[in-house]
Amino acid sequence: ETGVTQTPRHLVMGMTNKKSLKCEQHLGHNAMYWYKQSAKKPLELMFVYNFKEQTENNSVPSRFSPECPNSSHLFLHLHTLQPEDSALYLCASSQVWGQVNQPQHFGDGTRLSIL
Amino acid sequence: AQSVTQLDSQVPVFEEAPVELRCNYSSSVSVYLFWYVQYPNQGLQLLLKYLSGSTLVKGINGFEAEFNKSQTSFHLRKPSVHISDTAEYFCAVRVRAGGYQKVTFGTGTKLQVIP
Repeated sequence: ETGVTQTPRHLVMGMTNKKSLKCEQHLGHNAMYWYKQSAKKPLELMFVYNFKEQTENNSVPSRFSPECPNSSHLFLHLHTLQPEDSALYLCASSQVWGQVNQPQHFGDGTRLSIL
Repeated sequence: AQSVTQLDSQVPVFEEAPVELRCNYSSSVSVYLFWYVQYPNQGLQLLLKYLSGSTLVKGINGFEAEFNKSQTSFHLRKPSVHISDTAEYFCAVRVRAGGYQKVTFGTGTKLQVIP
């Protein structure tokens, strides 16, 4: 059983819809991440939060809006997405962002399909 | 900048046969190396990691990997695979230099174990 829980597991939405992905970790970690996993492409780091503060935004389009109300919860708000945004979105956590020798713990992901 | 190369996108192997999944990296600074496994419809799970010390590291499920600095490789091996090892395997590199830090994933290798 993973210590990182993502909901929903599957999401189908139109390009004009607004939806949110949720991630919750029960590991006592202070860093949380959003990744995008597309077929045949490396995992793409989107956002990093460390102690609730955003520390990384890897040139992600503004139609993706992250929110981190506390160290245990992370949201990804979606609006006016494009078909190329269809992918598996993975949430991860680690003890602290600065500790590169610490592994990340991943959730099972949300499979997003844009119609 | 660093990069990770997993040359084999798919590796079929018969059950109980040995397997090696290749990972090569490039980096101008010291690296921390990780292997993750992703089972269908799940997130990534840490298999093993190399931080320092012994170049041969052992992980879960009977997997091991050897860090070869001269060849900039971190190949994953298992002497005898099981059907349950069918999954996708990702190599990852994390670096930190001064105030800069980054994690880079490979494109993954799908291991198909044939009964």
